[in-house]
Amino acid sequence: DADVTQTPRNRITKTGKRIMLECSQTKGHDRMYWYRQDPGLGLRLIYYSFDVKDINKGEISDGYSVSRQAQAKFSLSLESAIPNQTALYFCATSDLDSYGYTFGSGTRLTIV
Amino acid sequence: GQQVMQIPQYQHVQEGEDFTTYCNSSTTLSNIQWYKQRPGGHPVFLIQLVKSGEVKKQKRLTFQFGEAKKNSSLHITATQTTDVGTYFCARSGYSTLTFGKGTMLLVSP
Repeated sequence: DADVTQTPRNRITKTGKRIMLECSQTKGHDRMYWYRQDPGLGLRLIYYSFDVKDINKGEISDGYSVSRQAQAKFSLSLESAIPNQTALYFCATSDLDSYGYTFGSGTRLTIV
Repeated sequence: GQQVMQIPQYQHVQEGEDFTTYCNSSTTLSNIQWYKQRPGGHPVFLIQLVKSGEVKKQKRLTFQFGEAKKNSSLHITATQTTDVGTYFCARSGYSTLTFGKGTMLLVSP
């Protein structure tokens, strides 16, 4: 099983719908992140959490919210999806003692 | 957060040729990380550089951190088709990473 699992892998939804992307990890890492990837723009940070009671906004948090349900689970919600939120979304984890982030396989989200 | 600039955006080489991507910052970096993302895949951590002038090697990949800690490079010797992908550098902020836009490498057999 993957260390960082994202569901769903692909999703097409309509403008205005609420959607939740889920991320779970078996790394035992405290820190979890949500990034968005758009062609030519690299990876941009949406939200991050250093433990269950900690939530922080990233570079592009508008239109998104998150929930850290447990150390292993970090979900990203789009309350009212809009077409320019069409992108590839990655969850990642890290720890103080680890070098580098471990990424999930991504969720390709299309909003029509 | 502070940006890191990567050049080139894209490079197409013949198999066996060398490849280099550069990562530049206007401010001093505490460290720099490098990731590789295969087409259709997710970023995978390659290495972290911390010390001024540091050079690390992983088989055909050579990573350098500038003396002033404002730039870094990744050099691939004798590229192979398995090297295809996008290479990202990332700088540490307050325990988060800010990624460059990446260099896409295409290798023709």
